Amino acid sequence: KQEVTQIPAALSVPEGENLVLNCSFTDSAIYNLQWFRQDPGKGLTSLLLIQSSQREQTSGRLNASLDKSSGRSTLYIAASQPGDSATYLCAVRGNQFYFGTGTSLTVIP
Amino acid sequence: KAGVTQTPRYLIKTRGQQVTLSCSPISGHRSVSWYQQTPGQGLQFLFEYFSETQRNKGNFPGRFSGRQFSNSRSEMNVSTLELGDSALYLCASSPAGATDTQYFGPGTRLTVL
Repeated sequence: KQEVTQIPAALSVPEGENLVLNCSFTDSAIYNLQWFRQDPGKGLTSLLLIQSSQREQTSGRLNASLDKSSGRSTLYIAASQPGDSATYLCAVRGNQFYFGTGTSLTVIP
Repeated sequence: KAGVTQTPRYLIKTRGQQVTLSCSPISGHRSVSWYQQTPGQGLQFLFEYFSETQRNKGNFPGRFSGRQFSNSRSEMNVSTLELGDSALYLCASSPAGATDTQYFGPGTRLTVL
């Protein structure tokens, strides 16, 4: 069974800092990997989708990489802002979506 | 376009009761997926429906069931509620041909006492 792990579980950084969130998965037979953001009391919002044949995707200040062979992905957030405070979840798509337990990010003004 | 809507937003039930949650997908979307989110287990896939047919099912007991109607609206039902069923239940819809692109609703917070 696919296991998805996210480290760290929580992170607190001062505004303006660059940061990296990590995601690892046990089964490399995936179609794609996605990073989501979840705000309190709300559903998930997709941030970046990386197909299994791709190595990275970028959107604005966000950059996600995928190393399928080692079962790892990172989400890089540049110049963090207080509005980036949320829980970040990664999900891998096999026969279904498997989600990590998330990293709770707090950006301090 | 209106987003995914879920009703009710909050629900309190007692053990042994049953509950029905509703999800209205984005107009034109034909795929609906359901997830359970708890602090201990995180987000877990329940089932996926496409054009009224269950396409995929997660590892949950038979007390959890769902269905999809011809207008793509979906309901999920949990019978004989247990304390451990307390969770945030999320619904997501996808357009046909792009099921990796999921749009999530705000969820229904179920509390079982």
